Amino acid sequence: KAGVTQTPRYLIKTRGQQVTLSCSPISGHRSVSWYQQTPGQGLQFLFEYFSETQRNKGNFPGRFSGRQFSNSRSEMNVSTLELGDSALYLCASSRDREGDIQYFGAGTRLSVL
Amino acid sequence: KQEVTQIPAALSVPEGENLVLNCSFTDSAIYNLQWFRQDPGKGLTSLLLIQSSQREQTSGRLNASLDKSSGRSTLYIAASQPGDSATYLCAVPNSGYSTLTFGKGTMLLVSP
Repeated sequence: KAGVTQTPRYLIKTRGQQVTLSCSPISGHRSVSWYQQTPGQGLQFLFEYFSETQRNKGNFPGRFSGRQFSNSRSEMNVSTLELGDSALYLCASSRDREGDIQYFGAGTRLSVL
Repeated sequence: KQEVTQIPAALSVPEGENLVLNCSFTDSAIYNLQWFRQDPGKGLTSLLLIQSSQREQTSGRLNASLDKSSGRSTLYIAASQPGDSATYLCAVPNSGYSTLTFGKGTMLLVSP
């Protein structure tokens, strides 16, 4: 059974640009969550999608957005990139219920210059 | 709002030592608690998940305990090896959701 797949693995962008990251969940998983990891703040929750709807959102500015497709694949978009957006972005999938094991992808390393 | 704290932030031990990593959480009404391992620049690998009804969970040289009433969990690593060097994170589910709140992790270095 394939795991959670995130693409691309690495990205280099400049300030002001926008970026789209992709996450393919484990087959049968309907919940996809996104997290940002930085050395100073640790792992912070961005948002969660279930059945193509954003079900939960963390405390991030509107520049961060996402969506989920009918096959449960998800994308997140960051517009008007800032230097502070440099981070490891992790995606996790689970079946749905509270307390289900979260399975994480390898992440996308975004560097903003 | 749930807060998760991990102590110590970093730990350096010689190979062969037994060690304990600590995790505390403020809201004891958790469904379960999960321990992860993260190697530098990589994603998260789930190590152990303890359900709220359990007190311990074991996998090989790893043993995790959970005390909901006191809001604490420990991860015990027996006979540590250099390959155990990584950051260890604990996380609890956010009430009503499939998402997690994480501690900031303990960075472990095991020297040969």
